[in-house]
Amino acid sequence: DVKVTQSSRYLVKRTGEKVFLECVQDMDHENMFWYRQDPGLGLRLIYFSYDVKMKEKGDIPEGYSVSREKKERFSLILESASTNQTSMYLCASRPVQGHEQYFGPGTRLTVT
Amino acid sequence: DQQVKQNSPSLSVQEGRISILNCDYTNSMFDYFLWYKKYPAEGPTFLISISSIKDKNEDGRFTVFLNKSAKHLSLHIVPSQPGDSAVYFCAAGLYKFYFGSGTKLNVKP
Repeated sequence: DVKVTQSSRYLVKRTGEKVFLECVQDMDHENMFWYRQDPGLGLRLIYFSYDVKMKEKGDIPEGYSVSREKKERFSLILESASTNQTSMYLCASRPVQGHEQYFGPGTRLTVT
Repeated sequence: DQQVKQNSPSLSVQEGRISILNCDYTNSMFDYFLWYKKYPAEGPTFLISISSIKDKNEDGRFTVFLNKSAKHLSLHIVPSQPGDSAVYFCAAGLYKFYFGSGTKLNVKP
């Protein structure tokens, strides 16, 4: 079974803090994704990576950065957290030959 | 502007009946379409998919229909079961996929 894990299920941070969200997948997938899920807006793509050290902006990259130093790990960084970044963050991975994405359980981030 | 829309935020169906979830998209270049199911406190899980060269794909109780001229796809669940109660997301795209806002399905016993 494909397993995608995220470092925290719940996280509370203060405005202005630097926040790291970690994602690890164990199926040697080339592609990895970060989404945020908000009510009424569905899942919106923040960043994705199709290989180690490669990254591409998604639809809402502002205020975020990412790091992919190893194939199995994809990190999302909030350089200076703001209250409008309070959301559910979902990581996913996908093999290069395939369309189906495998999601982690999500991190509920609250910025106060 | 959202490229994939699910206009019904919720749907309630009696156990044993058919559930029909709908999804519309705007980009005619999209060539692959997927449905995911999401339970509370879990990530979405893949349910069924269809490529643009087909108009129907069936997997057990789940069938996805694609109408390319209308840019519309639907998910049929027959018969519906209480365990099907979840949020359903449709997704469409090429190498990058866009998700709808989800439809919360409640199957009543």
